[in-house]
Formats: sequence, structure tokens, C-alpha cells
Amino acid sequence: DAGVTQSPTHLIKTRGQQVTLRCSPISGHKSVSWYQQVLGQGPQFIFQYYEKEERGRGNFPDRFSARQFPNYSSELNVNALLLGDSALYLCASSSPGVSTDTQYFGPGTRLTVL
Amino acid sequence: QKEVEQNSGPLSVPEGAIASLNCTYSDRGSQSFFWYRQYSGKSPELIMSIYSNGDKEDGRFTAQLNKASQYVSLLIRDSQPSDSATYLCAVSLSSASKIIFGSGTRLSIRP
Repeated sequence: DAGVTQSPTHLIKTRGQQVTLRCSPISGHKSVSWYQQVLGQGPQFIFQYYEKEERGRGNFPDRFSARQFPNYSSELNVNALLLGDSALYLCASSSPGVSTDTQYFGPGTRLTVL
Repeated sequence: QKEVEQNSGPLSVPEGAIASLNCTYSDRGSQSFFWYRQYSGKSPELIMSIYSNGDKEDGRFTAQLNKASQYVSLLIRDSQPSDSATYLCAVSLSSASKIIFGSGTRLSIRP
């Protein structure tokens, strides 16, 4: 079975632009979470979606938004990009039925903001 | 106080020895605990999950949980150079649907 997939792998944007990152969970997983990881730090929780509803939100500004589609794939949108948004963005999916069960990570999207 | 704390290292251990990684957490109601391994430039990979007090063994890895002390650890026996990576401790919060990660401990296995 395929693991969590994310696209694109790498992305370069300039300040003020908008970006959309995509994630497909493991088949059968209904929960998707998004994390931001800057160099030297652990992943920071941004959002969790379960059955297309937002179940959790981290301490990120409203410039960050997400949604989950009927097929359980998800998009993370970031508006008005800042230099500090440069990071590895990770998507994780978890087993159905439990929202904070074991999470399996995709390969990530490396975002560079110039 | 950080919600999940780890010593950033680097922790240097000779090949074949036991590596011991530690983590403390602040949410006394937390029920789920995870250890992830992350190689440089890669995404985190799950090693172990633990939910009950005591030890849980999987191959060369043993996770230990002490909820009274709010402490979770990971032991790696017979350390190999391929174990050199950053190890992330993660804890699910009792009050919200989210998992909090520590900043990670960098482990280096020297031949």
C-alpha cells in the first residue's frame, strides 16, 4: 500500500505570495494533520482534520487555512507569505476512528520564501 | 515550561552500546506517547508507540513510560551507525486533538 503522499516536493515563493500544499493519506485513513518544521525544531502542529471537519488548530495565524475533501485528501493554504514561513511542511495521516492515534508522515514539502 | 522537553544533544554513543533517550511532558492527562526517528532532510518515521506504564520492547528498541513522573524514554540496544539520527518524542494532549513534539535529541553512533 502507498504511504502518505505530498506535493509538490519543493517550492520557492516570494514574500506576499500564496501557496497551496497537497496531501493524500494512507488508504483507509480518515484523519489528516499538518505540521510545520523549521530547522532544528520538532514539528509544530498546525491543523487536524477528521472526516472533513477541523478537529484541532495550533497557534498559527489566520493566514494558514486547510480543508479536507470527500476522498480524505487535504490542502494547506498559506496566504501573504513571510520569510519566516520557510520550513518543511509535513502531512500525517492516522488510523480511522481515533483522532489522535498513531500518525504516519509523508515525505514533506520544502517551502522556501525569498 | 515546554509541553514536551528533550535534551537536544548531540548524544554520542559507541557502536554496540546502549543509547538512552529521555523525554518529559507537562500534561498529566496525556495518554499516548510516541517516538519518531528523523534522518537529516527526511520526514519523521515512527519507531514506537506506548500507552501504559512500564516497558514495551520491539527488536532493539525499548520504550519506557512512567506517567507518575511524566517521563518517557527510549533505549536502543546494540547501537548501529544507521541509528544516527534525530529522535523526536511526541505526546498527545488530553485537552485537545493534537500531538505535541519535542525539539528532538540528535544521536550520533561512533564506530
